[in-house]
Amino acid sequence: LAKTTQPPSMEAYEGQEVNVSCSHTNIATSEYIYWYRQVPHQGPQFIIQGYKDYVVNEVASLFISADRKLSTLSLPWVSLRDAAVYYCIVTDMNYAQGLTFGLGTRVSVFP
Amino acid sequence: EAAVTQSPRSKVAVTGGKVTLSCHQTNNHDYMYWYRQDTGHGLRLIHYSYVADSTEKGDIPDGYKASRPSQENFSLILELASLSQTAVYFCASSDWGSAETLYFGSGTRLTVL
Repeated sequence: LAKTTQPPSMEAYEGQEVNVSCSHTNIATSEYIYWYRQVPHQGPQFIIQGYKDYVVNEVASLFISADRKLSTLSLPWVSLRDAAVYYCIVTDMNYAQGLTFGLGTRVSVFP
Repeated sequence: EAAVTQSPRSKVAVTGGKVTLSCHQTNNHDYMYWYRQDTGHGLRLIHYSYVADSTEKGDIPDGYKASRPSQENFSLILELASLSQTAVYFCASSDWGSAETLYFGSGTRLTVL
């Protein structure tokens, strides 16, 4: 049973805000939510992590529902450089055995 | 800036041949990982290591061996390459297994003919 469910793809124009949702209905109290993104020909890169409520950094913002079963990654004012696959991962903070990456959400950005 | 360097960037191998993929990190991280990525499967963990001279099996270890001769270096070995091992391979390192400090290399594209 998949720990997370994301839409397979999304499209946006440059300058728009993109919101990528992630469902994690069985999230445990010890688990955090992490988002990575992978641009073509590179490995995934950490974007943001959160446990509850709202987190923001210079790249994105993350909203987590009150019951922690749904999170939304928000990318403001997307550019062509934001075209990538975005992965939502739910895991304990220290997970030495390696992260499990699903198929993610492919975000396409058009000029 | 954390750095993970993989070599080669791409390789063509023949079926039944031996292939070695190399990974070097300058992050002073204890944990290192090998993933493969195939279209439609996302990234899957092959082997990982949390200390030099020790390796652990990941989710899909069959057909692969790993070697961690030092903290900085982690190799993936295909003793008898097969067509099904054509994929892009990523190496990563992590500080004490922290999920937010996982840094990836740029990948090695392996084609087995």
